[in-house]
Amino acid sequence: GAVVSQHPSRVICKSGTSVKIECRSLDFQATTMFWYRQFPKQSLMLMATSNEGSKATYEQGVEKDKFLINHASLTLSTLTVTSAHPEDSSFYICSASRTYYGYTFGSGTRLTVV
Amino acid sequence: LAKTTQPISMDSYEGQEVNITCSHNNIATNDYITWYQQFPSQGPRFIIQGYKTKVTNEVASLFIPADRKSSTLSLPRVSLSDTAVYYCLVGVNTGTASKLTFGTGTRLQVTL
Repeated sequence: GAVVSQHPSRVICKSGTSVKIECRSLDFQATTMFWYRQFPKQSLMLMATSNEGSKATYEQGVEKDKFLINHASLTLSTLTVTSAHPEDSSFYICSASRTYYGYTFGSGTRLTVV
Repeated sequence: LAKTTQPISMDSYEGQEVNITCSHNNIATNDYITWYQQFPSQGPRFIIQGYKTKVTNEVASLFIPADRKSSTLSLPRVSLSDTAVYYCLVGVNTGTASKLTFGTGTRLQVTL
């Protein structure tokens, strides 16, 4: 199969602190992973493409200094929301692609900044 | 990437067949059509993928006309647990690392 694990499933943090979200491909290697953001009742918005061993590619309008992405290995990509503020509260989802299995999504992380 | 257009919402009774149509007028020759299902507070889940004609699996069927400018996801005999948002995506074969762009999706509400 193609399983993507995302952790934590939900996190509450204080305004001004940083939060790290992990995305792991459990049974395959993923040279590319994707990070999405979803507000209530809205569709998924692609934030960035995470490339193993190189810098992430951010979509227009996404602050790369605020949303730090690290893809240090073929099975792990992390998204760090730095100096989080209440407007960063959202549902964050990662995905990875595996040949013949298509795109598999993580279960998502509900971030609440208080 | 080809843009997709779907109805914002649909309602159905349990046991009925539901057909959700997606328009993708600018689909490219190499593009595949993929449908995902998303429940609240969960990541999207793959339902079905096709290139042309008809594809069927254990949960759904996908109908694609010859011009491939639209596609229809068919859910046979829906149940309450099929209440979810359904997304139609068009892009290169998912064997590559091409990014997926989500449209608005169709919110399906199934009731008794």
